[in-house]
This record gives sequence, C-alpha cells and structure tokens, in this order.
Amino acid sequence: EVQLVESGGGLVQPGGSLRLSCEGSGFSFRSYWMHWVRQAPGKGLVWLSHIYSDGSVTKYADSVKGRFTISRDNAKNTVYLQMNSLRVEDTAVYYCVREACSGNSCFAYFDYWGQGTLVTVSS
Amino acid sequence: SYVLTQPPSVSVAPGQTARIPCGGNNIGSNSVHWYQQKPGQAPVLVVYDDSDRPSGIPERFSGSNSGNPATLTITRVEVGDEADYYCQVWDSSSQHVFGGGTRLNVL
Repeated sequence: EVQLVESGGGLVQPGGSLRLSCEGSGFSFRSYWMHWVRQAPGKGLVWLSHIYSDGSVTKYADSVKGRFTISRDNAKNTVYLQMNSLRVEDTAVYYCVREACSGNSCFAYFDYWGQGTLVTVSS
Repeated sequence: SYVLTQPPSVSVAPGQTARIPCGGNNIGSNSVHWYQQKPGQAPVLVVYDDSDRPSGIPERFSGSNSGNPATLTITRVEVGDEADYYCQVWDSSSQHVFGGGTRLNVL
C-alpha cells in the first residue's frame, strides 16, 4: 500500500523557519517525482514545488521561490521542504504528493497524497 | 500565468447528474485532471487525462474536454459524493495549476 506521511508542521513566528519531511512507503520512492501542495484554511489547492526522481531538477511557484527549498534523500525514502522567511500567508496544510510515473515518464497528475501537516505562522 | 475557473458551488438532488465545469484558455489542448476532497481529508484523484478513471473510482465519475470548459460529470449522485472538486492542468509557464474548487452540494 502506497503511503506518504508528512511531519514537521507546527507553530512558527513570522520570519522563522521550518522543515517539513515526507516519508514514502509501499512503492519505489526513487522512481517518482515528488511535490508539495498547500491549502490555506478554507481555501483551494496551490502547487508549490517539485523535484525529479534523482533530485537533479527542482521547480517552484513564484510565491515561494527563494524562500522554500525542496530536496530528497532516496536512501531514506524522504522528501523535504525547507521553509525560510515564513509569512502569515504561508499558514496552510502542506501536502506531500506523488506524481504518477511509469518507467522514465511522468504524467503531470497526482496519484497519491499524504494526509498533510499544518503549518501556522503567527506571532 | 494560466488560470482555471470553476464555479464556487453546484447543487444537485440525489440520483441526478452533476456537471462541474472547469474553464481555461484553450483548455482543450491541455490534459485535465480532477480531484475530490471531502472535509478534513486529503484530495483523491478521480479522473486523469481528461476522461480516464483510476482503479477503484466508480464509473459514475467521468470527464470530458472537447473544448471550453472541461467538465467532470457525476451520474446517479449520492450523498457521499458531497465534496470539493478541483480541476488541474500542467502548463509550461505556470507548472501545475489548480482551479479554485467547486463545492458539490447534494440536496
């Protein structure tokens, strides 16, 4: 069974930092592109970042570029999101998401989601 | 940046058919994917590549994308289908884009 389990959320002051982790299991983690998507309270889904299966390429939404960094450790089946210079508007549930892939191709949709971890930025 | 537009809500009676639109510039040239999100839960993929269903998703869920808008159709709607539904595409300039979401109310 595919599982994605996020951790690391919590309360942080504006300007602070937090690192989220997501451990995958039940699939060949090193073969998949991984993403982070967030959802502010009562709002919709927003894509934030993704990382290739080997970590060679990363991309970011403009709203987090320069502040957030995605990385992965395939030996630990884990993807990370380092969040710096946090703002009140970064308050959200952060989801770790797997992109559907097969062989060397990925298909630009998300077939498995973690349960999410809540990040609250407040003084 | 690419924008996907969805109505905030759609209401339907149990047993009827719900149609949830997703509009975007030249959306017919994109593959559209749909997610269902029930309160307090993570999203679940219900349709991918315009009209394909993942295993385990009932045949009552279908999608089409022959022009603007793309549409998610749910036939024989059940109370358990009440949820938020999001469309999503990949765009070369915006990367992955979600629509604002549509709340399906089953009256």
